[in-house]
Amino acid sequence: DQQVKQNSPSLSVQEGRISILNCDYTNSMFDYFLWYKKYPAEGPTFLISISSIKDKNEDGRFTVFLNKSAKHLSLHIVPSQPGDSAVYFCAASETGGSYIPTFGRGTSLIVHP
Amino acid sequence: SQTIHQWPATLVQPVGSPLSLECTVEGTSNPNLYWYRQAAGRGLQLLFYSVGIGQISSEVPQNLSASRPQDRQFILSSKKLLLSDSGFYLCAWTRTGLGVAFFGQGTRLTVV
Repeated sequence: DQQVKQNSPSLSVQEGRISILNCDYTNSMFDYFLWYKKYPAEGPTFLISISSIKDKNEDGRFTVFLNKSAKHLSLHIVPSQPGDSAVYFCAASETGGSYIPTFGRGTSLIVHP
Repeated sequence: SQTIHQWPATLVQPVGSPLSLECTVEGTSNPNLYWYRQAAGRGLQLLFYSVGIGQISSEVPQNLSASRPQDRQFILSSKKLLLSDSGFYLCAWTRTGLGVAFFGQGTRLTVV
């Protein structure tokens, strides 16, 4: 049973527009959420995170929004750039528990010039 | 600063052969260590994690095993590889109490 779900396997966006990647989770014990970016044949790199005590965290062009009641988070990239083209993984962990990050299946973002 | 090294980057092995992938972390002590696998079209599946030397927890039953002989060394092994073991294997570490995982570059394993 997937505890972290990314229901869109791919997303295509025009350069300069907003990219919105979505993620849903089922485990109410998760209280720390992360987004990773992965290029082919490389390990994922940490992008941005958010604690459950917040509903928004911003870092440059990247903003993560958390809706705890809906168990939903999203990553907004504004403006999107061709270099943002990669697979984005959503992950969640339980800071009071094992801290093991549980990952979604990823969304492949393609930003067209 | 902390770094994580994983090798080899690519590996082609015949069915039935053994496997040993190694991962080391530098610049930190007592990390939590993880092995993940990314199969084609799938997400990152947690295989093993370790909170200390000699302490291994398995998440998915399979013909793989893991060992942690030293604080910052994590090894993924198999005695006999199967075709289904093909995939992209990733080692990662976290600090206790912090949920951010840092990944190695990965190993592309192809079992033929």
